Amino acid sequence: AQSVTQLGSHVSVSEGALVLLRCNYSSSVPPYLFWYVQYPNQGLQLLLKYTSAATLVKGINGFEAEFKKSETSFHLTKPSAHMSDAAEYFCAVSPSGTYKYIFGTGTRLKVLA
Amino acid sequence: NAGVMQNPRHLVRRRGQEARLRCSPMKGHSHVYWYRQLPEEGLKFMVYLQKENIIDESGMPKERFSAEFPKEGPSILRIQQVVRGDSAAYFCASSPGTGGGPSSGANVLTFGAGSRLTVL
Repeated sequence: AQSVTQLGSHVSVSEGALVLLRCNYSSSVPPYLFWYVQYPNQGLQLLLKYTSAATLVKGINGFEAEFKKSETSFHLTKPSAHMSDAAEYFCAVSPSGTYKYIFGTGTRLKVLA
Repeated sequence: NAGVMQNPRHLVRRRGQEARLRCSPMKGHSHVYWYRQLPEEGLKFMVYLQKENIIDESGMPKERFSAEFPKEGPSILRIQQVVRGDSAAYFCASSPGTGGGPSSGANVLTFGAGSRLTVL
């Protein structure tokens, strides 16, 4: 069965520090992978997606993620955190590109001044 | 572009009452999906609809839950005789279509802000 694990339900970083949000998945078929962000009182916004092209994917707001098949990981990074990055981040896998996304439980990012 | 619109954003019901959640997809999107997020869990797929058709309801609880997407108007997720275990955030998503997979943009889901149901 497919699953997604996000390590750390809460992550705190200082403004200007590296952001690293972890996501590991299991999938028996080629996965499509996504990161979504949810700001307070807003919908889930697509940050970036991996669809079997380049393994390093660049998204909006300076975020990027690298697909590592050997580690079954798709960690999200940003070199320098900004206060506006404070939000909840969800990793999701879509087995073979179907609409049945499987989500992780989310990581709430806090950025300290 | 208003995005995916869900209402109400917050709904409180007593046990045994009915809950109705509405979703208007993004302009140009003809496919609607409902997901549920129980406390401390990730979002889970419930149902996929196109206009006047339920395509896949494999994630819907067998009883008390129903969904529709009429020819006119929003999609509605209906929960009859709510119980405390129905308390959750219900997210609606839409997409232009399912052909071609996410690389074509067809299966990339755009989500609404969610409707939070609390059952007393």
